[in-house]
Amino acid sequence: DIQMTQSPSSLSASVGDRVTITCRASQTSGRYLNWYQQKPGKAPKLLIYAASSLQTGVPSRFSGSGSGTDFTLTITSLQPEDFATYYCQQSFSPPTPFGQGTRLDIK
Amino acid sequence: QVTLRESGPALVKPTQTLTLTCTFSGFSLSAIGMSVSWVRQPPGGALEWLALIHWDDDKYYNTSLKTRLTISKDTSKNQVVLTMTNMDPVDTATYYCARTPPESSGYYLDHWGQGTLVTVSS
Repeated sequence: DIQMTQSPSSLSASVGDRVTITCRASQTSGRYLNWYQQKPGKAPKLLIYAASSLQTGVPSRFSGSGSGTDFTLTITSLQPEDFATYYCQQSFSPPTPFGQGTRLDIK
Repeated sequence: QVTLRESGPALVKPTQTLTLTCTFSGFSLSAIGMSVSWVRQPPGGALEWLALIHWDDDKYYNTSLKTRLTISKDTSKNQVVLTMTNMDPVDTATYYCARTPPESSGYYLDHWGQGTLVTVSS
């Protein structure tokens, strides 16, 4: 099975900063990589699918890139509501595992 | 509008079997390409993908939990059921169901239920 590894596991940043989170797959997954945002006590929310496609309603400060085994999620100009935990998910074919998550908090 | 809602016991004893139901609206699981997945998250922990069922009844499972999981659907009731046998305290988690739309680029999960917390304790 494909394993997903995110880095860093936690990150501190300030409002207005640009941040990048990376996700590495143990085997190539083409561009079948998704990103989710989760806030405490809430269900995850889809941000990016197919590596770089922005889900409807998600602000354009979120972007995704990558293919094969290495992917990134970039948030430009952090807003207060962006402080949350972010997960990647391989989704080429099931099983479709998640990364271990990256907690983004306020510096 | 698409909604999903998980239901089931909040507390189960070790060795018991857990049965969770996902009741959804706003889409049909008989639509070509549609699928529903189960995902869980232990308190303070990461998301763990558990199982998926396709519109055509194809089923897939987390490799390490495969022997304990069964996923099924009742299209007429708009429900997906997950059973997990031999529950253990480490299975304490919030369990979510989520949808993958048809004609999607991979199995992304665009709508989620609010989750149901299951505690395993004697």
